[in-house]
Formats: sequence, structure tokens, C-alpha cells
Amino acid sequence: KAGVTQTPRYLIKTRGQQVTLSCSPISGHRSVSWYQQTPGQGLQFLFEYFSETQRNKGNFPGRFSGRQFSNSRSEMNVSTLELGDSALYLCASSSDWGETQYFGPGTRLLVL
Amino acid sequence: QKEVEQDPGPLSVPEGAIVSLNCTYSNSAFQYFMWYRQYSRKGPELLMYTYSSGNKEDGRFTAQVDKSSKYISLFIRDSQPSDSATYLCAMTLAGTYKYIFGTGTRLKVLA
Repeated sequence: KAGVTQTPRYLIKTRGQQVTLSCSPISGHRSVSWYQQTPGQGLQFLFEYFSETQRNKGNFPGRFSGRQFSNSRSEMNVSTLELGDSALYLCASSSDWGETQYFGPGTRLLVL
Repeated sequence: QKEVEQDPGPLSVPEGAIVSLNCTYSNSAFQYFMWYRQYSRKGPELLMYTYSSGNKEDGRFTAQVDKSSKYISLFIRDSQPSDSATYLCAMTLAGTYKYIFGTGTRLKVLA
């Protein structure tokens, strides 16, 4: 079974731009969670989707948004990028909340 | 105060040593506890998953949960250089649909 895939793997953007990251979960998984990982803060929860519905959202500004499609693939969008948005963005999928989460390799975003 | 506290390390041990990694938490309602291992430039991978107090063993790994003290541990026996990675604890409670992670402990096992 193929694992969680994330595209692109690396991105360089400038302040003020926007970015869209994509996550394809493991086949059959309907829950997708997004996290931001930085050296100082560790893994911070962004949001969780299940069957196209956002069930929870972390403490991030409205510039961070996401969505999930009917095939469970998910995207997250960050608008008006700031230097502090530079991080590794991780996606994790599971069959449902409470079941084992499997992480993708992440997208490393650098904002200049 | 963070909900989950974890010593960032780095923790350096000789090959073959027993490693003890720990997390403390403040929310007594947490029900599910996990340990992940993350190699450099990779996503975290699940090592252990427990939902009750006590010990759970899997090969060289033992996860321990003490809900009365709000303290969880991961023990690695016969540590190997390949165990060198960052270890993250995570926990959650039913109905929240989110996991709270510690900041991770960086472990180095020296050959």
C-alpha cells in the first residue's frame, strides 16, 4: 500500500505570496490532519478533515486554510506569507480519528 | 505552560545502553498516548500507541504511562546507532480530533 504523499517537497516563496500544498492520504483513509513543524515550537496542529468536513482547527491565523476533496486528498493554503511561516508542513492520514496516523515526508517551505 | 513538556536534549548514549525518554502533561483528560520517531528530513513514524496506564512492550521498545503522575516514558533497550533520531510524544482525548505533540527529544547513540 502506498504511503502518504505530499507535493511539492520543497518550496521557496517571498513574503506576501500565497502557497498551496497538497497531500494524498493512504488509500482508504478518510481523516487527514495537517501540522506545522518548527525547531522552536515542534509539531503544531493546523486542522483535521474527515469526509470533506473540517472537524477541528488549531490556533493559527485565518491566513491558513485547508480543504478536503471527495477522494480524501487534501490541500492547505497559506495566503500573505510571512517570514515566520517558514517550516516543515506535515500531513498525516488515518482511517478515522483515534486510529494510527501515518505521516507523509512533509513539504519544506522557505519564505524569503 | 505548554500542555505537553519534553526535554529537547540532545541525549547522547553509548551503543547498547538503555535509553529513557519522558514527557509530562498537564491535561488529566488525555486518554491516548503515542511515541513517534523522526529521522532527519523525514516525517514522524509511529512507534508505540497506548490508551491506558501501565506498560506496553514491542521488541526493544517499552512504553509506560502513569496517569496519576501525568507522565509517560519510552524505554529503548540495547540501543543502536540506527536509533539516533528525534523522538516525539503525542497525546489526545476523544472527540477533539487533534493530537498534541511534545517538541521532541533528539537522541544520539554512539557506536
